[in-house]
Amino acid sequence: NAGVTQTPKFQVLKTGQSMTLQCAQDMNHEYMSWYRQDPGMGLRLIHYSVGAGITDQGEVPNGYNVSRSTTEDFPLRLLSAAPSQTSVYFCASSYKGVPLGGYTFGSGTRLTVV
Amino acid sequence: SQELEQSPQSLIVQEGKNLTINCTSSKTLYGLYWYKQKYGEGLIFLMMLQKGGEEKSHEKITAKLDEKKQQSSLHITASQPSHAGIYLCGADLANSGYALNFGKGTSLLVTP
Repeated sequence: NAGVTQTPKFQVLKTGQSMTLQCAQDMNHEYMSWYRQDPGMGLRLIHYSVGAGITDQGEVPNGYNVSRSTTEDFPLRLLSAAPSQTSVYFCASSYKGVPLGGYTFGSGTRLTVV
Repeated sequence: SQELEQSPQSLIVQEGKNLTINCTSSKTLYGLYWYKQKYGEGLIFLMMLQKGGEEKSHEKITAKLDEKKQQSSLHITASQPSHAGIYLCGADLANSGYALNFGKGTSLLVTP
């Protein structure tokens, strides 16, 4: 099925551990982005990419790294997990321009840092 | 400060009743997206409004965009339990084309 696939769906980490959240899309979208969703805060942009090899920071980038080596994949790395990174993470993609059909979101990764 | 304000924050309505959710921007709107999120799941795209005065409908959900007021409203007619969830408005406030700003969401519960 075409869309955005995120793995894992759930993860528990200990403080200080590192991990990578995976995001893959098969729609040949140029743009990909990562958001975190916290209660009372809505969705906030972490990092985004406008194409392979091009990434930039969003509103809340600290503690996260990204890379975009292919059009399809946009992994999000937590370097040293902290309890403040407990959140639900969403990956989204869209084609270049104004996506009249909306940005496509993955089903999310629920991360708990203890 | 929040650039996209949604109201109300939460809503409990009886099945069959109509309801309206508002989204107001502090910046120029270059398009407004409405999404629905079922609890614990991802975001489902409902519709996108691009031009002032534009109105779109999807089943019993209608959204309008008032460009002058920098505001959009989402109206549900004859609500059903399947309408329950969190409704989010999003907009590309920076006119970047690559990402959206979102409101905090409106939680809707429909009771029998």
